[in-house]
Amino acid sequence: DGGITQSPKYLFRKEGQNVTLSCEQNLNHDAMYWYRQDPGQGLRLIYYSQIVNDFQKGDIAEGYSVSREKKESFPLTVTSAQKNPTAFYLCASSIMGRGNSPLHFGNGTRLTVT
Amino acid sequence: ILNVEQSPQSLHVQEGDSTNFTCSFPSSNFYALHWYRWETAKSPEALFVMTLNGDEKKKGRISATLNTKEGYSYLYIKGSQPEDSATYLCAFHPMDSNYQLIWGAGTKLIIKP
Repeated sequence: DGGITQSPKYLFRKEGQNVTLSCEQNLNHDAMYWYRQDPGQGLRLIYYSQIVNDFQKGDIAEGYSVSREKKESFPLTVTSAQKNPTAFYLCASSIMGRGNSPLHFGNGTRLTVT
Repeated sequence: ILNVEQSPQSLHVQEGDSTNFTCSFPSSNFYALHWYRWETAKSPEALFVMTLNGDEKKKGRISATLNTKEGYSYLYIKGSQPEDSATYLCAFHPMDSNYQLIWGAGTKLIIKP
């Protein structure tokens, strides 16, 4: 079955440590996205990538970094510069297109930083 | 600042009853409106992507309408079932944006047996 796999499901880190969240898709989608969800808020875009070796900042990119070395993979690193990293993180992908393609989501990673 | 509002925030509905909720978005600069269903412990699942004013889409007991001139979309669920319990998200795609969806906070629907 095609889909998006995020790992791990839960992640605990100490403040000051960088942490990398994995996202892999086998849907052959060109576009991939990272969103952050906080209670009572809509999803907020961190980074997106339309093609291998290219990515763009979303609304809340500060303190995060990404890479897109392979079409299937779009890992997100939460750096120590991110002031409030505890949140639920969703990875998504879509067929290359301008907004009329539905997003396919992974199951998410809940990151807790203490 | 672009804003997408969903109402109500949460909704309790008796099994078998029909229900509807609203997504409000900016009426200018419209490109597309997305609806997703997000069940607990699962990933969000796309229901509809709507692009034309007056469009109406249907998937089983769920349907959606779109009014781009006044900036709202309704999601209807006919004869609610326990499996409809989920958070329903809408997202607005502006015309002048690349891949940027503006998301509402969702409507949490709980079906009471």
